[in-house]
Amino acid sequence: DAGITQSPRHKVTETGTPVTLRCHQTENHRYMYWYRQDPGHGLRLIHYSYGVKDTDKGEVSDGYSVSRSKTEDFLLTLESATSSQTSVYFCAISETGNPGNTIYFGEGSWLTVV
Amino acid sequence: QQQVKQSPQSLIVQKGGISIINCAYENTAFDYFPWYQQFPGKGPALLIAIRPDVSEKKEGRFTISFNKSAKQFSLHIMDSQPGDSATYFCAATSNSGGYQKVTFGIGTKLQVIP
Repeated sequence: DAGITQSPRHKVTETGTPVTLRCHQTENHRYMYWYRQDPGHGLRLIHYSYGVKDTDKGEVSDGYSVSRSKTEDFLLTLESATSSQTSVYFCAISETGNPGNTIYFGEGSWLTVV
Repeated sequence: QQQVKQSPQSLIVQKGGISIINCAYENTAFDYFPWYQQFPGKGPALLIAIRPDVSEKKEGRFTISFNKSAKQFSLHIMDSQPGDSATYFCAATSNSGGYQKVTFGIGTKLQVIP
């Protein structure tokens, strides 16, 4: 298994509160990604990073921000959580950004916003 | 709008039978087509993948069939086993400004019954 650790694994939070999910990798891969998984939608990219302090938006980035201050850590922040952000969040990594380069996923963080 | 259409959403197969999952795409810029397998409570993991210049790829009991002209591809699981029970996602990948943009299907939940 790729060395990806997500924390917390499960969290229940109230609407309007900030939430930060952490992804830590031990593979020294350049690219890191945050996806969300919802029934009927598969996995959708929220944000990705191609290096320290280099990040960009994915297809569902509204309401989310990210930061990457070290190669190994990629943080996803929900500034003010809403019920529509209840989801399973997956961190992923890849060595390069080339199609065909294997993307490895973490085990997920279950977030419930009440 | 789902750029990669996957069917069926759920599938029940007898042990020893053949499981078939189908996907279709529209964007001709896609140049890599992976399949991911996901067990409950875990992240997706790459199962098998194919490039569009190949019509078939086989790895053990798993085979991808690819029809470039029809823009369709499918996963066949031969001699299906209860351990194959999982959710399967097809995906299509393209290079998007320096990172690999992965578009996922909505997933197929496969149950293999003894």
